[in-house]
Amino acid sequence: ATQMTQSPSSLSASVGDRVTITCRASQGIRNDLGWYQQKPGKAPKLLIFVASSLQAGVPSRFSGSGSGTDFTLTISSLQPEDFATYYCLQDYDSWTFGQGTKVEIK
Amino acid sequence: EVQLLESGGGLVQPGGSLRLSCAASGLTFNNYAMGWVRQAPGRGLEWVSTICGSGADTFYADSVRGRFTISRDNSKSTLYLQLTSLRAEDTAIFYCVRAQSHCGSRSRQFDYWGQGTLVTVSS
Repeated sequence: ATQMTQSPSSLSASVGDRVTITCRASQGIRNDLGWYQQKPGKAPKLLIFVASSLQAGVPSRFSGSGSGTDFTLTISSLQPEDFATYYCLQDYDSWTFGQGTKVEIK
Repeated sequence: EVQLLESGGGLVQPGGSLRLSCAASGLTFNNYAMGWVRQAPGRGLEWVSTICGSGADTFYADSVRGRFTISRDNSKSTLYLQLTSLRAEDTAIFYCVRAQSHCGSRSRQFDYWGQGTLVTVSS
């Protein structure tokens, strides 16, 4: 099974900062990757699919890139509502989540 | 509007069984792969199982294969997960999820999630 290694596990940032989260797959997964946002006590929300396509209704400050084994989620200008935990999910070989990245207020 | 409503969670003893249900509305149910994702308290997300639209093909995480069984009743727009031989480490919120399309589609990310149902395995 494809393993997903996500980093960092947590980060502290300020409103307006540019934030980057990465996921690395243990094998090539084309661009079969999505990104999710989860806030405490809530179900996750799909942000990005096929590595770089923005899900409907998601703000354009979120973007994704990558192909093969290395992927990135970028928040161009962090907003107060963006403090949450983010997960990647590969759907190339069954499904596997990354371990998550908690984005906290600095 | 798509809605997914889970039920069936609760407290069960180690070695016990439980059946989770997910009633779906607002979609043509058989057109979509459906699945379950769980989250242990304070932990990350773990994909559990997925079933294709017709029900003919199923997929399981290694941690649950042989113990959990996913199924669906397209006439009732309902997804199920039968949990057997439960262990303490199965304690988690179980989310019902809809994939973006059918199993053969290019992207199979989960675009709709239920609110979750809590399964607690404890004596």
